[in-house]
Amino acid sequence: GQNIDQPTEMTATEGAIVQINCTYQTSGFNGLFWYQQHAGEAPTFLSYNVLDGLEEKGRFSSFLSRSKGYSYLLLKELQMKDSASYLCAAHMDSNYQLIWGAGTKLIIKP
Amino acid sequence: DTGVSQDPRHKITKRGQNVTFRCDPISEHNRLYWYRQTLGQGPEFLTYFQNEAQLEKSRLLSDRFSAERPKGSFSTLEIQRTEQGDSAMYLCASSLDAGVTEAFFGQGTRLTVV
Repeated sequence: GQNIDQPTEMTATEGAIVQINCTYQTSGFNGLFWYQQHAGEAPTFLSYNVLDGLEEKGRFSSFLSRSKGYSYLLLKELQMKDSASYLCAAHMDSNYQLIWGAGTKLIIKP
Repeated sequence: DTGVSQDPRHKITKRGQNVTFRCDPISEHNRLYWYRQTLGQGPEFLTYFQNEAQLEKSRLLSDRFSAERPKGSFSTLEIQRTEQGDSAMYLCASSLDAGVTEAFFGQGTRLTVV
C-alpha cells in the first residue's frame, strides 16, 4: 500500500530551530514535496526533493533519504508567522499523482 | 491577481441539493487538479485534467461527482444530491505541463451541507 506519516502537532519557541519529519511507503516514488498551509488558506509550495541530501532555501531546508523513505523539513530562526501546518507529499511515477500526508500543525510560542 | 482563483469561497447548501464550483487556473498552466480537504487532513486527490482531457478520477469519487474542463481553461466541479459527508474544502490547483513542477493552489471553496 501507499502511506505517508508525519507528526500531528509540534510546538517550538520563537527564534529556535524545529525539524518536521515525514516517512513514506510508496511504489514508484519520484520525489517529495513540502507545502505550508496557514489555517483557512491554500497550501503554498516550499520545496521539492528528488535526490538524496539537504537542500537549503533561506530559513527553510529540506532533506531526503530515498533508501530510508524519509524526509524532513528544517525551519531555522522561527518566527510567529511560521505557525501553520506543514504537509509532505510524495510524487509518484505518473507525472501528476501526489500522495499527501495529513500535515503537521506547528505552534510557535514567544 | 494572476493566481488560481476559485468561486465561490464559501457555499452552504441543504442536503440533497446540487452545487457547482468553478476554478480558473493560471493561464499558461495545462494541468488542473481537484482535491478535497477535511480538517486536520491533507488534500485528497479527486481528479486531474491535462488541457480539456480528464485523465484520472479517484476511485473514491462517487458518481454524484463530475468535473469538466470544456475548453482547457476553467474547470467546474459539480456535486449532485449533496450529503453531509461532502462538507469539506474543495481545492483546485494548476501546474505547467513540463515534467515535475510545483502545483499552485487556489484559496478553495468551503462547502457546508446542512
